[in-house]
Amino acid sequence: GQQLNQSPQSMFIQEGEDVSMNCTSSSIFNTWLWYKQDPGEGPVLLIALYKAGELTSNGRLTAQFGITRKDSFLNISASIPSDVGIYFCAGQLKGAQKLVFGQGTRLTINP
Amino acid sequence: DAGVIQSPRHEVTEMGQEVTLRCKPISGHNSLFWYRQTMMRGLELLIYFNNNVPIDDSGMPEDRFSAKMPNASFSTLKIQPSEPRDSAVYFCASSFVPLLTGTGGSNEQFFGPGTRLTVL
Repeated sequence: GQQLNQSPQSMFIQEGEDVSMNCTSSSIFNTWLWYKQDPGEGPVLLIALYKAGELTSNGRLTAQFGITRKDSFLNISASIPSDVGIYFCAGQLKGAQKLVFGQGTRLTINP
Repeated sequence: DAGVIQSPRHEVTEMGQEVTLRCKPISGHNSLFWYRQTMMRGLELLIYFNNNVPIDDSGMPEDRFSAKMPNASFSTLKIQPSEPRDSAVYFCASSFVPLLTGTGGSNEQFFGPGTRLTVL
């Protein structure tokens, strides 16, 4: 089946640092979504991207839909302790309703 | 506004027992998805419904798993008989797909808090 390669798998950073993670695929996607999951909770939608090249921000979060439609990245600026969690990318293939999820990036922040 | 509601939040059962997980999607949403999450396999889509009709159940592991959506506000995922390898967190998600967008549609799926299932 379709797969998304998400990297890095984990990150250990200091509070205040910027964070960058990305997802790539050999397939072309129509939609990219970024989710965050806190322990014991379900994934929460952070940003949705619908057009190639689209750059969208949500507070300190910025995500971009790659020009090739095969990748996306998520940046977090000036990280704070509540940013800790697992971040997932998800892509939707053209004509499909299902989402394909990346393996997740676990973010740990040292105060 | 109430989000996706799942019950129970935790379920511990013995191998061979029947397990029923419940989901109430966000009011007005017409698509519902059941996922399973494990450390080894990540998030896996099991089945999804559009307008209460099952569209794709290719992710359902085997015949022990079944899902129903009797109406727009309720769905169940049943495992009978349960096995230890079914232990996982099961999520329900819902979304709204406009009728005019064909088979694609919006994929802003909103997840419930999950049910953590432990089969001993």
